[in-house]
Amino acid sequence: GDSVTQMEGPVTLSEEAFLTINCTYTATGYPSLFWYVQYPGEGLQLLLKATKADDKGSNKGFEATYRKETTSFHLEKGSVQVSDSAVYFCARETSGSRLTFGEGTQLTVNP
Amino acid sequence: NAGVTQTPKFQVLKTGQSMTLQCAQDMNHEYMSWYRQDPGMGLRLIHYSVGAGITDQGEVPNGYNVSRSTTEDFPLRLLSAAPSQTSVYFCASSYGLAFGYEQYFGPGTRLTVT
Repeated sequence: GDSVTQMEGPVTLSEEAFLTINCTYTATGYPSLFWYVQYPGEGLQLLLKATKADDKGSNKGFEATYRKETTSFHLEKGSVQVSDSAVYFCARETSGSRLTFGEGTQLTVNP
Repeated sequence: NAGVTQTPKFQVLKTGQSMTLQCAQDMNHEYMSWYRQDPGMGLRLIHYSVGAGITDQGEVPNGYNVSRSTTEDFPLRLLSAAPSQTSVYFCASSYGLAFGYEQYFGPGTRLTVT
């Protein structure tokens, strides 16, 4: 079945460091791909998305490119801030208008 | 717009008790869903609905019941609570997913079953 695999966490970085969180998905169909972020004590909110191959989603300095050849959608940010500390979820559209989520990656950014 | 609202925020139940988690949205979204979030397992889909009167099972439906009598409301019922249902529950709504539509999540209900 459809699945999403995320880089295991937790990830701890210093402020202004470069961030990469890896995400790969099962290659059934041409799903839309998403990154969601969950701040402490809150629900998930959409960070960025891509709906077709080679699309690049971007928001708040974060970017991810839909790579069909490697079935990947890695999240990157050039310079993280303390306020970026959160849990990040990669997700893919699944048949029947559903979302399949990865396990989540906890990011902590220290000043 | 209030977005997606969930009540209660916290709940403690004893094994065997039943309860209903409430979810409402005011965005006129057709698609609504319930997830549970457990450490190291991401979010898993419990039940979902593509419109009023239509519901279907997700990945982990056992022990839960849903109905969708209106577009706005999508309650989740725990029929006989078990400790394995201790989790954080999120409701979400969307116009759909086929075109990359965003899912909007509620703030969650933290449920403990003792």
